[in-house]
Amino acid sequence: GQNIDQPTEMTATEGAIVQINCTYQTSGFNGLFWYQQHAGEAPTFLSYNVLDGLEEKGRFSSFLSRSKGYSYLLLKELQMKDSASYLCAVMDSNYQLIWGAGTKLIIKP
Amino acid sequence: GAVVSQHPSWVICKSGTSVKIECRSLDFQATTMFWYRQFPKQSLMLMATSNEGSKATYEQGVEKDKFLINHASLTLSTLTVTSAHPEDSSFYICSSGQYNQPQHFGDGTRLSIL
Repeated sequence: GQNIDQPTEMTATEGAIVQINCTYQTSGFNGLFWYQQHAGEAPTFLSYNVLDGLEEKGRFSSFLSRSKGYSYLLLKELQMKDSASYLCAVMDSNYQLIWGAGTKLIIKP
Repeated sequence: GAVVSQHPSWVICKSGTSVKIECRSLDFQATTMFWYRQFPKQSLMLMATSNEGSKATYEQGVEKDKFLINHASLTLSTLTVTSAHPEDSSFYICSSGQYNQPQHFGDGTRLSIL
């Protein structure tokens, strides 16, 4: 079956760095997406990785290793507004998105 | 700006009412749109895949006669919750995007059935 694993919840301190991991097993691979979802709101797109390596976008970076079925989202200089759920999703060979359950990130002052 | 528009954003209605939710792609042609449901503190759950000009594909456990999907044009898909009951109260979200491109989400519709 297809499976996406990510931690349920993480806690970090304002100003610090946090890494949210995602491992996947899917039928084929056409890219991995990270989304941010604040409570009561729809998800918003953060990043897309289809080749191995690190993609940097401001305070957020995303890494992919296809051979290991592994990705992480790195958030630097954490701000209180970064408190949200972070969703990992993989597009399989049929271009269907397989969603992880999300990681709730709690930022403490 | 938003590339997927969804409305209404909030609906409160009596049990037994049917509710229609619209999802529009604003600057691209969407042959496929996805409908999700999300209960509080739970992950997104795909309900169905809406295909322009053909029948929707429903996920296991989703009643197609209760959740009617129409995708009559390349920019509009609608989800109608028929004879809604309190257990249908949830956050409904649509998304769309092109192959190998990020899915863009509508703002979601919060449905409350009294």
